[in-house]
Amino acid sequence: SQQGEEDPQALSIQEGENATMNCSYKTSINNLQWYRQNSGRGLVHLILIRSNEREKHSGRLRVTLDTSKKSSSLLITASRAADTASYFCATDAALNPSMDSNYQLIWGAGTKLIIKP
Amino acid sequence: DTGVSQDPRHKITKRGQNVTFRCDPISEHNRLYWYRQTLGQGPEFLTYFQNEAQLEKSRLLSDRFSAERPKGSFSTLEIQRTEQGDSAMYLCASMRAEGTGGYTFGSGTRLTVV
Repeated sequence: SQQGEEDPQALSIQEGENATMNCSYKTSINNLQWYRQNSGRGLVHLILIRSNEREKHSGRLRVTLDTSKKSSSLLITASRAADTASYFCATDAALNPSMDSNYQLIWGAGTKLIIKP
Repeated sequence: DTGVSQDPRHKITKRGQNVTFRCDPISEHNRLYWYRQTLGQGPEFLTYFQNEAQLEKSRLLSDRFSAERPKGSFSTLEIQRTEQGDSAMYLCASMRAEGTGGYTFGSGTRLTVV
């Protein structure tokens, strides 16, 4: 079951512009994580934000979390051609008997980001 | 130890054959996960180990799929009597039991069933 939904599905911007991707989810969470995946490769962990945090920074990345709206955003500032990849959000759900599992991340379908040089 | 290793990177097999994939996690990571990913989709959970114990198995996993982690180190994922619908990228990930960080993924094994 997929809980996260990324928006937009695809995004194409010019190098140097900022890129914003959004993620919505359905249940209570312990944390939310963003990953990056280059075509045909494995996923790379970018940043983790806990349910009691509202904003987190890592280099050119800024992540926000709004638990009241069950949504998160990933901002990449001053984008570079090398940022071209798919970006996924994944939620680590809070202990919940109705969930299929308490030990796995729940993933969205991703946002495909293209940075034009 | 530079990360999670998966072998092979690519596997082409005929329908009905058995295939086995291997994953070597980061040595100090207790948790090991197998995911499957098809084109344009996020990863789908298959199964999870804490040390050598298999604690979770997805309903997606039919009886043709089996995974082991016999000594709590490397893991294998076997698919018996492969079907064309099994074609996908199979991803392995590991993390510390404390779960303070994200998962570390391998580069995956791309399976093509012809």
